[in-house]
Amino acid sequence: ETGVTQTPRHLVMGMTNKKSLKCEQHLGHNAMYWYKQSAKKPLELMFVYNFKEQTENNSVPSRFSPECPNSSHLFLHLHTLQPEDSALYLCASSSRSGGRGGETQYFGPGTRLLVL
Amino acid sequence: AQKVTQAQTEISVVEKEDVTLDCVYETRDTTYYLFWYKQPPSGELVFLIRRNSFDEQNEISGRYSWNFQKSTSSFNFTITASQVVDSAVYFCALSESPNSGGSNYKLTFGKGTLLTVNP
Repeated sequence: ETGVTQTPRHLVMGMTNKKSLKCEQHLGHNAMYWYKQSAKKPLELMFVYNFKEQTENNSVPSRFSPECPNSSHLFLHLHTLQPEDSALYLCASSSRSGGRGGETQYFGPGTRLLVL
Repeated sequence: AQKVTQAQTEISVVEKEDVTLDCVYETRDTTYYLFWYKQPPSGELVFLIRRNSFDEQNEISGRYSWNFQKSTSSFNFTITASQVVDSAVYFCALSESPNSGGSNYKLTFGKGTLLTVNP
């Protein structure tokens, strides 16, 4: 299944670096999401974009900056991260159901981030 | 607030055994949706099933089956004749209907169950 792709798959960065994560979906969906998955914790929703507009920022620190130039691409810009930001960052997409609810989200393989 | 509980943190079985993964949910909504995802070591969450609250029929897909019981707020997942390739973390998730103020896209995940199938 290559419906949602993410690059890079692994990333090691220092606390002063700036890097970006990229997500691309090939499913014709119009909503995209960033999740953070840390060890021993449930998945945490970070950001939601619907038709390129950000509809949710789940109290994410400003050192994480999302960008959604179109419905197929989503970026997560990282700067001055902390070691506790080390995690698996997952991107997902879904098709808006016109308010009926219960959309299925399809996930990418994730980027494993290590902050030193 | 909605909540999903997967009480089994880790399960270990021998190949060909049947195994059931439990999922209990809490919601005040009458319309909601339940999901199961599989996360193999590669990291990607693989969608397995979606079920709405009005459909209590059990579902079978190959070696996988799901038992949805609203009376006990449970949506359990059984793998029959398990295989080594079934080894993964399995997540149960819940989303509510926007009609009751919920978000039609927000998934509440359980903490997951790590299933290890030994040869």
